Amino acid sequence: QVQLQESGPGLVKPSETLSLTCTVSGGSISGSFWSWFRQPPGKRPERLGYIYYTGSATYSPSLGGRVTMSVDTSSNQFSLKLRSVTAADTAVYYCARDTFGKSWGQGTLVTVSS
Amino acid sequence: DTQMTQSPSSLSASVGDRVTITCQASQDISIYLNWYQQKPGKAPKLLIYDASNSEAGVPSRFSGSGSGTDFTFTINSLQPEDIATYYCQQYINDVTFGQGTKLEIK
Repeated sequence: QVQLQESGPGLVKPSETLSLTCTVSGGSISGSFWSWFRQPPGKRPERLGYIYYTGSATYSPSLGGRVTMSVDTSSNQFSLKLRSVTAADTAVYYCARDTFGKSWGQGTLVTVSS
Repeated sequence: DTQMTQSPSSLSASVGDRVTITCQASQDISIYLNWYQQKPGKAPKLLIYDASNSEAGVPSRFSGSGSGTDFTFTINSLQPEDIATYYCQQYINDVTFGQGTKLEIK
């Protein structure tokens, strides 16, 4: 059974870059799509984008080009970078399997504040 | 964007009740509709995929139906552990979620 675990800083300053990594265990990252979601407190989830294990990525237009995703098959990890963050980017960030979220990591709260 | 409208936004029911949640898409999404359960402080969990198919290990009291723009999610015989927020999600046109239905025990 594939498990996912997010890691990264829980506090990011405004205008800086949010960076998170998702480690996949119990299975290979190869052959599948992987995605990132976020959920602001009390709101519905939002997909940020998804990436194929080859490195080909598709991003949500709502992020205005601020996002980059990458994959490291040797480490069985994939990553998210979100640039120029503001308080509106404060949310629980989740990594997930497949483009729609077949299974999810436990999530990590990222707060944007000075 | 494909907008998803869920109703009701909140629901209070008794143990053993049958609970129904509806989800309406702003355009035809065929059967590309999933249902998730989210308990407080936890990640969403996929229960139903492609409108009516149960994910492995999901209790049989959970079911889904519908196609096109109108969908229904049902819990037969509500259990205390079913307390959660439920979301519908379309995935034919990007991915968008309904606003959620918070289910409480009466």
